[in-house]
Amino acid sequence: KNEVEQSPQNLTAQEGEFITINCSYSVGISALHWLQQHPGGGIVSLFMLSSGKKKHGRLIATINIQEKHSSLHITASHPRDSAVYICAGDLYSGGGADGLTFGKGTHLIIQP
Amino acid sequence: KAGVTQTPRYLIKTRGQQVTLSCSPISGHRSVSWYQQTPGQGLQFLFEYFSETQRNKGNFPGRFSGRQFSNSRSEMNVSTLELGDSALYLCASSPQGWDEAFFGQGTRLTVV
Repeated sequence: KNEVEQSPQNLTAQEGEFITINCSYSVGISALHWLQQHPGGGIVSLFMLSSGKKKHGRLIATINIQEKHSSLHITASHPRDSAVYICAGDLYSGGGADGLTFGKGTHLIIQP
Repeated sequence: KAGVTQTPRYLIKTRGQQVTLSCSPISGHRSVSWYQQTPGQGLQFLFEYFSETQRNKGNFPGRFSGRQFSNSRSEMNVSTLELGDSALYLCASSPQGWDEAFFGQGTRLTVV
């Protein structure tokens, strides 16, 4: 079982809709990251969270440490938001950091 | 400010050969991490270097190795290539670790 699970795997929505992508993890983490990957492979780091909520433009990321859950929200979605969104956890299990573990990604398509 | 530069962008190698990939981080960044991305496994962490020392290592066989030079440039080497090593290899740099990570465009390796 993957330690970082994302849902949904695929999401198609209309321009302007409010988008939510979920990420849950099964072990303790020191930080959780949201990444955006466009066709061709380029990856952009969107957020790094260890608690609470962060906002950047139309993007909002939240994390609930007790529930081991994070969400990425996109308000007023636009076709240029179409990409794969990946969450990644800085996991630790009883010792030092074990590196990053990634979710499988959510393939988002925003239709005009 | 120049971004993270990976060379080469594309590479075709034959089974059994070895390959070296290069990553030049953003100036001033001391941490370089490497990742493998395949359609089946998604993104997986390979290793992280900080100030010329390997700080974290993912669950990959010893055929995968890396190093970091005093100018923070990093190389990763894969020996005795297998067909399953075909993947997009990404590196990311950050000032001290995983905060504010910046990704390169990746090297797409095809093993035939």
